[in-house]
Amino acid sequence: KQEVTQIPAALSVPEGENLVLNCSFTDSAIYNLQWFRQDPGKGLTSLLLIQSSQREQTSGRLNASLDKSSGRSTLYIAASQPGDSATYLCAVLSQGGSEKLVFGKGTKLTVNP
Amino acid sequence: EAQVTQNPRYLITVTGKKLTVTCSQNMNHEYMSWYRQDPGLGLRQIYYSMNVEVTDKGDVPEGYKVSRKEKRNFPLILESPSPNQTSLYFCASSFGASYNEQFFGPGTRLTVL
Repeated sequence: KQEVTQIPAALSVPEGENLVLNCSFTDSAIYNLQWFRQDPGKGLTSLLLIQSSQREQTSGRLNASLDKSSGRSTLYIAASQPGDSATYLCAVLSQGGSEKLVFGKGTKLTVNP
Repeated sequence: EAQVTQNPRYLITVTGKKLTVTCSQNMNHEYMSWYRQDPGLGLRQIYYSMNVEVTDKGDVPEGYKVSRKEKRNFPLILESPSPNQTSLYFCASSFGASYNEQFFGPGTRLTVL
């Protein structure tokens, strides 16, 4: 059974700092991995999608990496801003069965001005 | 605008009163699914649909029904809601589950008294 873990559960940083969020998964049989952002009381916004054959994806100040063999992904946020404050969720799309997204419980990021 | 819409966004109801949460997407996606999000448990899949008239159970299907009569719509039905179904519900869709980015609706916050 696929399990996804995100560490740390919460992170507080000063504005301008570069930071890394971690995601690990137990079964490497995945189609892809997605990083989402969730603001309080709001829906999920897709940030980056990395296919199982890829090593990384970049969008603006965000860079996500994937090491499928070790079951790890990182989300790197450069030059953090207060507007980046949100909960970041990692989800893997496992092969077989319902092909559902299995989510981690998220990292709550606070960027202080 | 490409989007997944859900209605209602907020609902307070009483135990046993049947309700339907609608989900619609305008992206011609084949795959649709429902998730619920609970504190400490994260997001869990309720039901999914690979295409019209094809639905199947996810991880937590008890107490829910779905139907997929049209490609764009995937309603979630609670025939006899109970307090343990109080949760935040998300609908998601993609072109096909494998290798494709999933897009999420804004969420429906349901309270069952």
